[in-house]
Amino acid sequence: AQSVTQLGSHVSVSEGALVLLRCNYSSSVPPYLFWYVQYPNQGLQLLLKYTSAATLVKGINGFEAEFKKSETSFHLTKPSAHMSDAAEYFCAVSSNTGKLIFGQGTTLQVKP
Amino acid sequence: DGGITQSPKYLFRKEGQNVTLSCEQNLNHDAMYWYRQDPGQGLRLIYYSQIVNDFQKGDIAEGYSVSREKKESFPLTVTSAQKNPTAFYLCASSPPVAGSGQETQYFGPGTRLLVL
Repeated sequence: AQSVTQLGSHVSVSEGALVLLRCNYSSSVPPYLFWYVQYPNQGLQLLLKYTSAATLVKGINGFEAEFKKSETSFHLTKPSAHMSDAAEYFCAVSSNTGKLIFGQGTTLQVKP
Repeated sequence: DGGITQSPKYLFRKEGQNVTLSCEQNLNHDAMYWYRQDPGQGLRLIYYSQIVNDFQKGDIAEGYSVSREKKESFPLTVTSAQKNPTAFYLCASSPPVAGSGQETQYFGPGTRLLVL
């Protein structure tokens, strides 16, 4: 069975500070991993995805994530937070049938 | 413009009433999905369909029904059997990379269902 754990339901950073959102996964097969962002009362938008081509994945809006098999992690980072990054972020793992299993989400607050 | 549309944006349900949420996509995607989102619980899969006239139950299908008569449409009915329907409902679709798991799911803007 596959599962995703996002550590920290709320993360608060100052504008310009490093953003680090944590995601650990469990999978019996090589995983495909995704990060999505959701702004209030909107749908989800893909930030980036890992499909085994490269362990460091760059996404939109300056975000990137590194796949670490030994740590079963896929943490999301951004060097410098902007106010517009305030949103909810979801990590997800995909089964080979295409179904996504989502983590519980992390709300990012950016303080001026 | 290609995309996924969901309607209505807000929907109110009375006791004992069935309501239907619309999801339409013009991306020519084969697979479509319905998720329910509750605060602090992430997204949970209700139903999914990988091809027209076929669909499978997800993790929380009880109290819901779907149909997939057309490739571009995947309506979700919340029946009176669903005792706690208040939630944000999201529809998604993905292109045909069958069996690989690499497919990106694209999401609609969501429908918020409230009980009167």
